[in-house]
Parts: sequence; structure tokens; C-alpha cells
Amino acid sequence: QIQLVQSGPELKKPGESVKISCKASGYTFTDYAMHWVKQAPGKGLKWMGWINTYTGKPTYADDFKGRFVFSLEASASTANLQISNLKNEDTATYFCARHNYGSYGYFDYWGQGVMVTVSS
Amino acid sequence: AIVLNQSPSSIIASQGEKVTITCRASSSISSNYLHWYQQKPGAFPKLVIYSTSYRASGVPSRFSGSGSGTSYSFTISRVEAEDVATYYCQQGSSNHYTFGAGTKLELK
Repeated sequence: QIQLVQSGPELKKPGESVKISCKASGYTFTDYAMHWVKQAPGKGLKWMGWINTYTGKPTYADDFKGRFVFSLEASASTANLQISNLKNEDTATYFCARHNYGSYGYFDYWGQGVMVTVSS
Repeated sequence: AIVLNQSPSSIIASQGEKVTITCRASSSISSNYLHWYQQKPGAFPKLVIYSTSYRASGVPSRFSGSGSGTSYSFTISRVEAEDVATYYCQQGSSNHYTFGAGTKLELK
């Protein structure tokens, strides 16, 4: 069955970096783009951007340019999100979600989410 | 980026009641690119309606959507206890996607 399985929770200090993974299974990895969505505690969903799983090209939303990097380990059907120079406001749950290139931009499968806590 | 204004921000409804959520886009989008999600507490979002009016697999028929241009709506015809959740609209029409702020549905 189709699954997006994300890595475990992270506790980091301000200024540190974190790398979150999203491993896909049950479908052809390169047929679907991978998106990243942030949800701060008690807040709504915020789209961070996406990575083309065929070319590896990332696209970032304006608020996520600079400290955020999307990458792939295509041979392992895995997408990664790295956040550097962590700030308190990066405390959130981060979801990966897939979208079929031939569809109209909706996310039909989601990862379970990774809680990242930034605290000194 | 296209801004989605979702209202109301919260709804308190009785079981069996009809509820409607509105999503207004800051510029016109094709109805193909407007979608709705349900998120229950502690869970990931689940696709409910795609392309304005198509129910995702396994979604009960009490959920429906309509709209065009800049104005879209999401309706639960008869609310059930299991529908308690936050609902979000989302557009995928530009290279930069956006979500509405969410509508929290609670039972009376």
C-alpha cells in the first residue's frame, strides 16, 4: 500500500540544524512531486514548497527561502527537508505530501508528520 | 501568491445540522485547482474534496463542494460526531500553493 513514512521527533537548540526524511513506498517515486507543509502548534497549514522528484529541482515559498533545503535520495525513494540555523519559531510539525504531476495540485497522501521542537 | 480567505474560522453545530464553509480567493482560479482537507486533532490532513466538487476515495456523500472563479464552498449536509475536525481549502493553480486559515468544526 502507498505510504509516506517520516522520521522521528527532534529536539534541537537554537542555531542547530535538523534533517527530516520522508520515505515513500507503494508507488513509483518519480511519478509524484513531494511537497512540504509546516504546522506550528495550534496553527494552520502553511505550504513550504516542493521538489520535483524527477529532476531534483526545488521550489520554495517566499517565507522558506534561505535556511530551508529540500533534497532527494531518489534511489531510496526518500525526500528530505533540512533546516539550518534553527529558530524558536521553527517549532512545528512538518508534513510531507505527494501530488501527481498530471493532477490539479492536490495532496492525496501525507506523511504522519514530524514534530521539531527548538528550545534552549 | 494567491491568498485564500476562509470563513467562518469556527463553527459549532448540532448533529444532523447542515454546515457550509466558504473559501474566497484573492484572484480567480480554475475550479480544477481548489481542494478541501479534513484534519482531526493529532493527525495529518486528509483529502476530502478535490477539484471543487469531487469526493476523494471513501469520503461519505454528505460531504460536497461547489464554486467557481474566486468563490468556493464546502458543505456537510448532516454533521456527524466523527466530522469534528478542522477543514482547510487549498489551491494548486500557481507554482506557489496556499491554504486557507482553516475552519474548526465542533459539536454542540
